Amino acid sequence: GAVVSQHPSWVICKSGTSVKIECRSLDFQATTMFWYRQFPKQSLMLMATSNEGSKATYEQGVEKDKFLINHASLTLSTLTVTSAHPEDSSFYICSASGQGVETQYFGPGTRLLVL
Amino acid sequence: KQEVTQIPAALSVPEGENLVLNCSFTDSAIYNLQWFRQDPGKGLTSLLLIQSSQREQTSGRLNASLDKSSGRSTLYIAASQPGDSATYLCAVIGGKLIFGQGTELSVKP
Repeated sequence: GAVVSQHPSWVICKSGTSVKIECRSLDFQATTMFWYRQFPKQSLMLMATSNEGSKATYEQGVEKDKFLINHASLTLSTLTVTSAHPEDSSFYICSASGQGVETQYFGPGTRLLVL
Repeated sequence: KQEVTQIPAALSVPEGENLVLNCSFTDSAIYNLQWFRQDPGKGLTSLLLIQSSQREQTSGRLNASLDKSSGRSTLYIAASQPGDSATYLCAVIGGKLIFGQGTELSVKP
């Protein structure tokens, strides 16, 4: 089956620093990758959609300058949280889908804690 | 704007009971509906995907139904087990996934 990995699974950082999270499709080519954020006891909220080789499309209310998304290859997308603050602490989950395939395959998530 | 609601928010049942989780959505113009399981601090595991042309899907002890006209889906879990304890999320697919807030299920031994 399609496998998506995320790295790191946990990250703790100081306020003001930047954090990069990787999302990889291990056994298929992901033409589209999605980034979600989940606060405790809440549902997943789509942050942005990225297609390989093009700029990400951000959802309303998501700051594109704060959450930098790069999808430079068919197997890797990165989310960089710039100048992180405590309110950015959350569970970040990526998903990926292949060309012509509607099903999204989800990664295991990355828990970010900003002190 | 599509809104997805799941009821109840939390549910606790004794082992062996059959149970139903509910999901409702406001816009019936969806492609598919998907049910996921999420264990604490983990990612999502896809359980069942119902295409818009289908009315139900079954996998083992799980059965999901879809009624687009009424904007409802149910997830039926038969003979519940403690290992079924998790949060169950439904998501409607209409271009992108829109999730409900989930039902936190606890099955007591």
